[in-house]
Amino acid sequence: GNSVTQMEGPVTLSEEAFLTINCTYTATGYPSLFWYVQYPGEGLQLLLKATKADDKGSNKGFEATYRKETTSFHLEKGSVQVSDSAVYFCALRPPVSGGGADGLTFGKGTHLIIQP
Amino acid sequence: DTAVSQTPKYLVTQMGNDKSIKCEQNLGHDTMYWYKQDSKKFLKIMFSYNNKELIINETVPNRFSPKSPDKAHLNLHINSLELGDSAVYFCASSHSVEQFFGPGTRLTVL
Repeated sequence: GNSVTQMEGPVTLSEEAFLTINCTYTATGYPSLFWYVQYPGEGLQLLLKATKADDKGSNKGFEATYRKETTSFHLEKGSVQVSDSAVYFCALRPPVSGGGADGLTFGKGTHLIIQP
Repeated sequence: DTAVSQTPKYLVTQMGNDKSIKCEQNLGHDTMYWYKQDSKKFLKIMFSYNNKELIINETVPNRFSPKSPDKAHLNLHINSLELGDSAVYFCASSHSVEQFFGPGTRLTVL
């Protein structure tokens, strides 16, 4: 079956540090890949996505590249801020079937803490 | 305007009760979902509805039943609530690849 593995936290960094959160996946075919962010007490927000190999998703200074050869979608940011403190989820969606109603498979989430 | 909304935001109830959580989306999407997030933040798909037909039903107890009165709504009914049902439940909707999530409903069973 499909699965997503991501580094478990908490990950604690100082402001302006470089961030990498690793994510690898197992799936058949070419799934779509996502990073979602959950701020304290809130719902899930889509951070970025990539739908095919070698695509790079980017948003708010975050980037992730879809690497088919290593089945990875690592999240990076060059200089983190205190406001980036949140839980980050890597997720995949299988290739769209005829019904197109496949749910997302999530990793366990990485709690990121940025200290001033 | 809220894209995906859920009510209530918080729900506290006793074991054995029956409760419902409502979800509405104003995005015109064809597919809606329910996810459960447990105390360790792990998210898992429960159901999805596409054009009012149940497409996915993971290993969820039959005490949980989704009801879709129309394409914009997918409600979650839970019978005979148990302590282990305590979690945050998220509704989501999609048209193609991307899914949009509601704010969540925190259910606490005492």
